[in-house]
Amino acid sequence: DGGITQSPKYLFRKEGQNVTLSCEQNLNHDAMYWYRQDPGQGLRLIYYSQIVNDFQKGDIAEGYSVSREKKESFPLTVTSAQKNPTAFYLCASSRTGQGNYGYTFGSGTRLTVV
Amino acid sequence: GQNIDQPTEMTATEGAIVQINCTYQTSGFNGLFWYQQHAGEAPTFLSYNVLDGLEEKGRFSSFLSRSKGYSYLLLKELQMKDSASYLCAPYTGGFKTIFGAGTRLFVKA
Repeated sequence: DGGITQSPKYLFRKEGQNVTLSCEQNLNHDAMYWYRQDPGQGLRLIYYSQIVNDFQKGDIAEGYSVSREKKESFPLTVTSAQKNPTAFYLCASSRTGQGNYGYTFGSGTRLTVV
Repeated sequence: GQNIDQPTEMTATEGAIVQINCTYQTSGFNGLFWYQQHAGEAPTFLSYNVLDGLEEKGRFSSFLSRSKGYSYLLLKELQMKDSASYLCAPYTGGFKTIFGAGTRLFVKA
């Protein structure tokens, strides 16, 4: 079955450490996205990628980095520069431009700074 | 600017009908999504409205009025499993979808 897989489900990070969240899809979608979800707030876009080897900053890119070396994979690195990284991170994919197809979301990674 | 308003929480009884309202102000508008999200899980696609009017899909219907910047999601014959957050999300075009904070719906027996 096609889908989008995020790992790990839970992640604990010490202050000052970089961590990388994995996102893999086998839906043959061109576009991939990273969102952050905090309690009481809507999903906020961190980065998105329309095509391999290309990605764009979203609304809250500071302290994050991404790569898109393969169509299937869009890992997110949360760097030590991100001051408040504790959140629920969601990866999504879509046909290009989303249109009326909507996103397919992964099951999320809950990151906690300890 | 971008602004989306939807109630924070709603409670309804099993078997009843509930309407979740959403008003939005966005720079650009191509359509509006509704997603369902159970606690700790990924959002799942419910509906997408481009034109004004009501679209029905089983127990769920979604309405859009573009001139009023208004949408609602109507859930009929409520079931306990419908307890979830419902996210209103205007699609402004390209790769931009703006998500509201969501409405947490509690369905009680």
